[in-house]
Amino acid sequence: NAGVMQNPRHLVRRRGQEARLRCSPMKGHSHVYWYRQLPEEGLKFMVYLQKENIIDESGMPKERFSAEFPKEGPSILRIQQVVRGDSAAYFCASSPRGTGGLTEAFFGQGTRLTVV
Amino acid sequence: QKEVEQNSGPLSVPEGAIASLNCTYSDRGSQSFFWYRQYSGKSPELIMSIYSNGDKEDGRFTAQLNKASQYVSLLIRDSQPSDSATYLCAVTLSGGYQKVTFGTGTKLQVIP
Repeated sequence: NAGVMQNPRHLVRRRGQEARLRCSPMKGHSHVYWYRQLPEEGLKFMVYLQKENIIDESGMPKERFSAEFPKEGPSILRIQQVVRGDSAAYFCASSPRGTGGLTEAFFGQGTRLTVV
Repeated sequence: QKEVEQNSGPLSVPEGAIASLNCTYSDRGSQSFFWYRQYSGKSPELIMSIYSNGDKEDGRFTAQLNKASQYVSLLIRDSQPSDSATYLCAVTLSGGYQKVTFGTGTKLQVIP
């Protein structure tokens, strides 16, 4: 059973370009979370999705950032017109249906975005 | 009040000692509690989960949960330098979606 897969592992973008980060959850997991982490800082929640639904996007900047988790395919975090301040590690986590104790979330290896 | 609170540390303990990491949460209806370890530059790794009051032991790790006081702790016995990392507490909020919410983490330094 493959773990949470994120790609690319490293992404370099020039200011003004678009960044697309992909996350394939573990098999059987229908909840996906995206987090951002700056160096030497904690995880900052961005968005929580289930298949075809955004459940909580309270941590996502109102502009330039969007996320989706389609019925088929990976979850995508999209950052338009990137700026240097977007440089960070972006982690995706997935968990099974939130029933009983089945809520353990597992992380992917992250995408390290560098904006030059 | 933050949903999940941890002391950021660093917490320094000598090698071989017991490291005690604490976490409090605000949602009285929370049902699931987790500890993650994150090495610098790496992704968080789940090390313990606990769902009922009391202690749960796994090797050198013991998770303790007290729902009445709304705190969860992690004890690391015989601490090793390789345990030096940031430890994240996570809690599943009550409600239909049971969103997992993280604290900001406690940095642990084990001194050889």
